[in-house]
Amino acid sequence: DAMVIQNPRYQVTQFGKPVTLSCSQTLNHNVMYWYQQKSSQAPKLLFHYYDKDFNNEADTPDNFQSRRPNTSFCFLDIRSPGLGDAAMYLCATSNIAYEQYFGPGTRLTVT
Amino acid sequence: GQQLNQSPQSMFIQEGEDVSMNCTSSSIFNTWLWYKQEPGEGPVLLIALYKAGELTSNGRLTAQFGITRKDSFLNISASIPSDVGIYFCAGPPTGANNLFFGTGTRLTVIP
Repeated sequence: DAMVIQNPRYQVTQFGKPVTLSCSQTLNHNVMYWYQQKSSQAPKLLFHYYDKDFNNEADTPDNFQSRRPNTSFCFLDIRSPGLGDAAMYLCATSNIAYEQYFGPGTRLTVT
Repeated sequence: GQQLNQSPQSMFIQEGEDVSMNCTSSSIFNTWLWYKQEPGEGPVLLIALYKAGELTSNGRLTAQFGITRKDSFLNISASIPSDVGIYFCAGPPTGANNLFFGTGTRLTVIP
């Protein structure tokens, strides 16, 4: 089945230690998104790629970076995680006007 | 900033009851999406609406795009325990490229 896959599902990192979260898709969608979601709040968009064009939200901290080496894969890099970065990180893809399909998420814990 | 308000914030209902929830905005929307999110998982797209007045069903779920284009409604008939989760509305306001998410309605179904 076509899908959005996120690895790992659970990630524990230490304060200040860089961490990378990955997302892959078999939907062949041209847009990929990264969201941060905290304790039952609405997902908050960090950035998205339209093909290779990177679009950063104005309030996304510089601590968060992203890479999209090809259509199928997208990575979220957190350069120096703080305690406030503990959250669920969601990857989504879309092709048709705004219908976004989400992966299962990666829950990040910062110790 | 843009805000989508959902009501009610939470619902506790008996299995078999019907559920109604709504989403309102201060801006006009061209698309309304409804997602369901279960604990520890990513949001799942339930229904997409593209025209004012549109009424669309997906099994026991029915959603409507409000005539004013500033609101949308989701109904669930004959609720079952697996309907438990948080329901989010989402959409791009006119002129925006990305999705805004509502505040969510948390549904609990009591067997």
